[in-house]
Amino acid sequence: KAGVTQTPRYLIKTRGQQVTLSCSPISGHRSVSWYQQTPGQGLQFLFEYFSETQRNKGNFPGRFSGRQFSNSRSEMNVSTLELGDSALYLCASSPATLGTEAFFGQGTRLTVV
Amino acid sequence: AQSVAQPEDQVNVAEGNPLTVKCTYSVSGNPYLFWYVQYPNRGLQFLLKYITGDNLVKGSYGFEAEFNKSQTSFHLKKPSALVSDSALYFCAVRDAVTGGGNKLTFGTGTQLKVEL
Repeated sequence: KAGVTQTPRYLIKTRGQQVTLSCSPISGHRSVSWYQQTPGQGLQFLFEYFSETQRNKGNFPGRFSGRQFSNSRSEMNVSTLELGDSALYLCASSPATLGTEAFFGQGTRLTVV
Repeated sequence: AQSVAQPEDQVNVAEGNPLTVKCTYSVSGNPYLFWYVQYPNRGLQFLLKYITGDNLVKGSYGFEAEFNKSQTSFHLKKPSALVSDSALYFCAVRDAVTGGGNKLTFGTGTQLKVEL
């Protein structure tokens, strides 16, 4: 069974640009969550999508957005990049069943210069 | 609101000795508790979880954790540490409220260093 796939693995962008990250969940998983990991703030929840609808949202500015497609693949977008957006972005997929663990991808390392 | 505290930034232990990584949590309802491990430049790997039932939970690679409701703790343990256990460990909590989604709240992480 294939795991969670995130692309690309590494990105370098310039301040002010926008970026789109992609996540393909495990087959059959309908929930996709995104997290930002930085040395200073640790792991912070961005948002969760379930069946193409945003179900939960963390405390991030509107520059951070996401969507989920009918095949459960998800994308997140960050517009007007700031230096502080440099981070490891992790995607997690979960089945619909309560109490199950989330499975994480390898992450996308975003560097904003 | 839910929260997790991992009071130790780093834990050092000699190979072959038992290890404990501490975690306390706060959640309004019943908790779902998880431990994950992260190796450098990698994602998070699931180790074990507590959902309900026995307070002692066994997981991958010989790790176990004990759920203590009165102390709101979920400490990770292993009877005999290996150098290969050296990594960053995260405790996470999710509120078990139905329909609450899969949002996980993580602790700040504990760096485990196992030395020969």
